[in-house]
Amino acid sequence: NAGVTQTPKFRILKIGQSMTLQCAQDMNHNYMYWYRQDPGMGLKLIYYSVGAGITDKGEVPNGYNVSRSTTEDFPLRLELAAPSQTSVYFCASSYSTARKAYNEQFFGPGTRLTVL
Amino acid sequence: EDQVTQSPEALRLQEGESSSLNCSYTVSGLRGLFWYRQDPGKGPEFLFTLYSAGEEKEKERLKATLTKKESFLHITAPKPEDSATYLCAVGGDTGGFKTIFGAGTRLFVKA
Repeated sequence: NAGVTQTPKFRILKIGQSMTLQCAQDMNHNYMYWYRQDPGMGLKLIYYSVGAGITDKGEVPNGYNVSRSTTEDFPLRLELAAPSQTSVYFCASSYSTARKAYNEQFFGPGTRLTVL
Repeated sequence: EDQVTQSPEALRLQEGESSSLNCSYTVSGLRGLFWYRQDPGKGPEFLFTLYSAGEEKEKERLKATLTKKESFLHITAPKPEDSATYLCAVGGDTGGFKTIFGAGTRLFVKA
């Protein structure tokens, strides 16, 4: 199993440009998450999904959009990039149930994004 | 509002010098407290889940404990390869399925 994969690993954007960060998992996990991590800070949840076709906002959703058309893929879209979106982005997945909603999350290697 | 505070921010130890990392949390209805390890330039890697006060889990030189207000990650006789950032996270009854992470403790172990 490849686990959680993310592309690209690095990207530099100009202010106002748009891009999609790709995330895929091959563990048949139902829950998927997008986090951002700024230097010296913990992970902040951007969006999450509990299954195909179901997404919800996290702590810091402004400026981002997501979709989940399949169990495996959970792309994150940045529209009109701003310098405040310079960060490291991590995708994660977990297998959770209604009785056990919080389970260990498996993280991808991250995408380092710089907006200039 | 759910909150997680980790201390210290950074900890420098000599090889073999045991110590503890603290994670204080505020959450409505704890459903799980998690410890992760993060190496530079990589994604977090799962270590432990604790579900109720009094629970303890061990893995090699690491032992995690949980009370109603805080969790400790005890590191016994650390080695240089234990150097990493250790993240604490909680999930609770409110806020949907949002796991809240602390800022982490950066651990440096010198040979």
